[in-house]
Amino acid sequence: SQTIHQWPATLVQPVGSPLSLECTVEGTSNPNLYWYRQAAGRGLQLLFYSVGIGQISSEVPQNLSASRPQDRQFILSSKKLLLSDSGFYLCAWSPRPTSGSNPYEQYFGPGTRLTVT
Amino acid sequence: GENVEQHPSTLSVQEGDSAVIKCTYSDSASNYFPWYKQELGKRPQLIIDIRSNVGEKKDQRIAVTLNKTAKHFSLHITETQPEDSAVYFCAASRGAGGGSNYKLTFGKGTLLTVNP
Repeated sequence: SQTIHQWPATLVQPVGSPLSLECTVEGTSNPNLYWYRQAAGRGLQLLFYSVGIGQISSEVPQNLSASRPQDRQFILSSKKLLLSDSGFYLCAWSPRPTSGSNPYEQYFGPGTRLTVT
Repeated sequence: GENVEQHPSTLSVQEGDSAVIKCTYSDSASNYFPWYKQELGKRPQLIIDIRSNVGEKKDQRIAVTLNKTAKHFSLHITETQPEDSAVYFCAASRGAGGGSNYKLTFGKGTLLTVNP
């Protein structure tokens, strides 16, 4: 079966420090991968998505970047954190349309709670 | 791009009552409408979905209805129980069309509280 991991689970970082959040998926190949931010315990804002290694689409202009160095690894980064970067970051994956599974259904990781102080 | 509006933002019901959450979408090319449930401190999980060729879908106590003409869809929970308390998100997707790559656009969520 497929599983998705995120780490760290929680992170407290000072303003201006760098950030690296990691997401890995097991049990599937060539998934679509997504990074979301959830502020104030509510709305899910799509930040980035990727359909393959090295292929990153950005949804909103911001202080963050994403990379996909391996098929099942998705990394969210920042060179200098802002207070407004605080939030709950969720990684998700969905099957490719050619896999025979529902390509619309997204499976979320456990999330990373980031507090910028 | 797609815009999904969700109402109400909070909903409080008594155990056993029904709950209805409504969403509207803007992109007439959207063809898939899922609902996710997020319990406190946990990850969102899909509870039901509907495609644009279907008007209604039911799974035990939950049902979803879709009105393509009006571009709105709703989640109905009957005989609510305390464990139904959570944040519910609606979403919409146009699938692979227009380079969308099956992205989901989410509503802002509804906090449902079921009082015993």
